[in-house]
Amino acid sequence: EIVLTQSPGTLSLSPGERATLSCRASQSVSSNFLAWFQQKPGRAPRLLIYGASSRATGIPDRFSGSGSGTDFTLTISRLEPEDCAVYYCQQYANSFTFGPGTRVAIK
Amino acid sequence: EVQLVESGGALVKPGGSLRLSCAASGFTFSDYSMNWVRQPPGEGLEWVSSISSTYNYIYYADSVKGRFTISRDNAKDSLYLQLNSLRGDDTAVYYCARRGLRPATFDIWGQGTMVTVSS
Repeated sequence: EIVLTQSPGTLSLSPGERATLSCRASQSVSSNFLAWFQQKPGRAPRLLIYGASSRATGIPDRFSGSGSGTDFTLTISRLEPEDCAVYYCQQYANSFTFGPGTRVAIK
Repeated sequence: EVQLVESGGALVKPGGSLRLSCAASGFTFSDYSMNWVRQPPGEGLEWVSSISSTYNYIYYADSVKGRFTISRDNAKDSLYLQLNSLRGDDTAVYYCARRGLRPATFDIWGQGTMVTVSS
């Protein structure tokens, strides 16, 4: 089983700042089958990024993904108040596993 | 509109059973692999089970193997999860999710249904 770890656990930033979220896999994620989801309180997760760096339909371009192998990053270039949420990475190369999440809070 | 709507969540005693349903609309249900994902209160996401579009590939997380059964009815555009021998750590919101064709991950999610296991 591929285990995903995410850091930091919580990120507190001001609107307009840049957020950098990390996801590390216990083994290489083949074909970069790594996705990022956003979940707001009381809501279902929403797909943001797939294939490590491709934005899903309707996702603003301030969200970007990068990385390969075992190290991946989600960047939110200019935080907006509505970006307050928990962000999960997920690998879908070998079954499915999720990271524990990073909570992004807006100051 | 592409939509998934879960139902069937309830309060059930340890050792009890429950059947969850997920009704799909707005897309050709029989073209897609479908999944169940759960989330205990205040915790993260856990994949539970998958079923392929033509029923022939079925997978379970180790935590539910032998207790849960996934099924689907393509004629009714519906996905199901039979939960047996329920335990307290099965308490969670259960989401159904479509596995997309591209991307090959969970691109559409339902709103979730709450299962509470408690005496």
